[in-house]
Amino acid sequence: GENVEQHPSTLSVQEGDSAVIKCTYSDSASNYFPWYKQELGKGPQLIIDIRSNVGEKKDQRIAVTLNKTAKHFSLHITETQPEDSAVYFCAASSNDYKLSFGAGTTVTVRA
Amino acid sequence: DAMVIQNPRYQVTQFGKPVTLSCSQTLNHNVMYWYQQKSSQAPKLLFHYYDKDFNNEADTPDNFQSRRPNTSFCFLDIRSPGLGDAAMYLCATSRDRPRQETQYFGPGTRLLVL
Repeated sequence: GENVEQHPSTLSVQEGDSAVIKCTYSDSASNYFPWYKQELGKGPQLIIDIRSNVGEKKDQRIAVTLNKTAKHFSLHITETQPEDSAVYFCAASSNDYKLSFGAGTTVTVRA
Repeated sequence: DAMVIQNPRYQVTQFGKPVTLSCSQTLNHNVMYWYQQKSSQAPKLLFHYYDKDFNNEADTPDNFQSRRPNTSFCFLDIRSPGLGDAAMYLCATSRDRPRQETQYFGPGTRLLVL
């Protein structure tokens, strides 16, 4: 089955700096890669996703890049703000219903 | 707003006492999922319904059951909760099952087993 690895497990950044989270996947047939943000005590919220027919997608301060050849994808958050502090999960879709999640990255934005 | 709703947000039960968690959705999505999430871990899929078709994950314990009486509602039944079943339970939906469909999560129900 699909295996998704996510790094780093924790990330502390100064407010205003950028944050980058990287994920690798094992199944070359995977073609859908969502990113979720989970705040304490809440459910995961989709923040951006990318499909395998594009290499990059951007939404305001958030961007995701995908390298199908190397089987890795990354989340970039620019101009970080305190409200960006949360746990971020990457995921890959390896068959027709199942998402394989990374282990999560705890992001702390220091004011 | 269209959304995924979970009730209750917090549930306390006793060891061995059956408990039911509920999920409803206004998105009119065909697929509903139940995940278990333990502290500092990623969500783990328990099972899903594709319309009325129930699909269990191979490693989901028999203690966990689910019902979907109609498109909007789905229930998670834990027949005899153990201490190890204390977790956040997440409901999610997607419009359809093909692999590029987005899954939308509810706020979760935190289960405590005493």
